[in-house]
Amino acid sequence: TQLLEQSPQFLSIQEGENLTVYCNSSSVFSSLQWYRQEPGEGPVLLVTVVTGGEVKKLKRLTFQYARKDSSLHITAAQPGDTGLYLCAGATDSSYKLIFGSGTRLLVRP
Amino acid sequence: SAVISQKPSRDICQRGTSLTIQCQVDSQVTMMFWYRQQPGQSLTLIATANQGSEATYESGFVIDKFPISRPNLTFSTLTVSNMSPEDSSIYLCSARDIMYEQYFGPGTRLTVT
Repeated sequence: TQLLEQSPQFLSIQEGENLTVYCNSSSVFSSLQWYRQEPGEGPVLLVTVVTGGEVKKLKRLTFQYARKDSSLHITAAQPGDTGLYLCAGATDSSYKLIFGSGTRLLVRP
Repeated sequence: SAVISQKPSRDICQRGTSLTIQCQVDSQVTMMFWYRQQPGQSLTLIATANQGSEATYESGFVIDKFPISRPNLTFSTLTVSNMSPEDSSIYLCSARDIMYEQYFGPGTRLTVT
């Protein structure tokens, strides 16, 4: 069974601080997607990363993926970054996404 | 990217009744899915909606309880049948485009009393 564990489960920080969220896999995925979900909304796709040490930047967000593990680093967090962050892995052999357990982020003004 | 709409956005239903949720995608997509989510938690896949044929259900979900239709490439429905309070949840429609990226609708928040 392929599993994606995210840590921490919950993070509460002050506006302006930096943070890193981790997504660790029990096996290798061909690609991994990161989503952010705000209360009352559906998950919004942030980025897709592919194995091989890929690094992608989206404004203040930096995504890394190496073999089994991925991380999301947010620089100078803003209250608008508040939400549930989900990673999801895809394999070449399955059409289904495997979702991580999620990290709830609260950025206090 | 695909834009997905769902309706209703929320509903309060009585035990024993059924609710049909509609999902519309603004572009042709390869695959459509239905998920369930408890507030603040991760997503659980209910089934893959197949165009013109029976949906493929995940373990723990059955067609009699969650009948799904997908008459064309951009539209699908999920029915929650014979509801009980345990069915109270957020139901999300999702679609995958030709680039293998997956997008979600805004969700339907269901409360069963």
